[in-house]
Amino acid sequence: QVQLKESGPGLVQPSQTLSLTCTVSGLSLTSNSVSWIRQPPGKGLEWMGVIWSNGGTDYNSAIKSRLSISRDTSKSQVFLKMNSLQTEDTAMYFCARGWGSYWGQGVMVTVSS
Amino acid sequence: DIQMTQSPPSLSASLGDKVTITCQASQNINKYIAWYQQKPGKAPRLLIRYTSTLESGTPSRFSGSGSGRDYSFSISNVESEDIASYYCLQYVNLPYTFGAGTKLELK
Repeated sequence: QVQLKESGPGLVQPSQTLSLTCTVSGLSLTSNSVSWIRQPPGKGLEWMGVIWSNGGTDYNSAIKSRLSISRDTSKSQVFLKMNSLQTEDTAMYFCARGWGSYWGQGVMVTVSS
Repeated sequence: DIQMTQSPPSLSASLGDKVTITCQASQNINKYIAWYQQKPGKAPRLLIRYTSTLESGTPSRFSGSGSGRDYSFSISNVESEDIASYYCLQYVNLPYTFGAGTKLELK
């Protein structure tokens, strides 16, 4: 059974760096890509980026300069790091298999001092 | 980037109604559109992929169609459990992009 689960701090101060982890089970990171998607409260969905099965990455150009996605295949984990956080980055952050066939439950991140 | 124009933003329906949501892409997306249902506080749930392929567990009252730039998603015989927001997603080109969503409410 495919499962993804996000984890990370619920509160981040402005200008700081966000670090999130997506732990997967029931799928191999060497044969599956994983995307990160976010959703501000009461708003729509934004695709952030993807790490491919070969370890390559692609990012949404709107946030590319601030975003990094990496992985540890031995731990079945994918990581998101985004720097220079602002209040507009307050959102639910989801990881998903591929383009979005299976999703984690999400983790709420609030950017506030 | 491909823009996905989803309409209507909100929809009011009675139980048993048929409702339709549309998404228009800014360019041909070759049927690479998916439809999601999202309930408050939950992750989106994939209902349909590749325009019209129902996911396992998706009730047959849900359907999708379209080609080129124009796509639609329908629910026949709306049930109370269908009250949710719905989103389209194009996944033919990066960055993948979502429609703005449609909130389905009971009349």
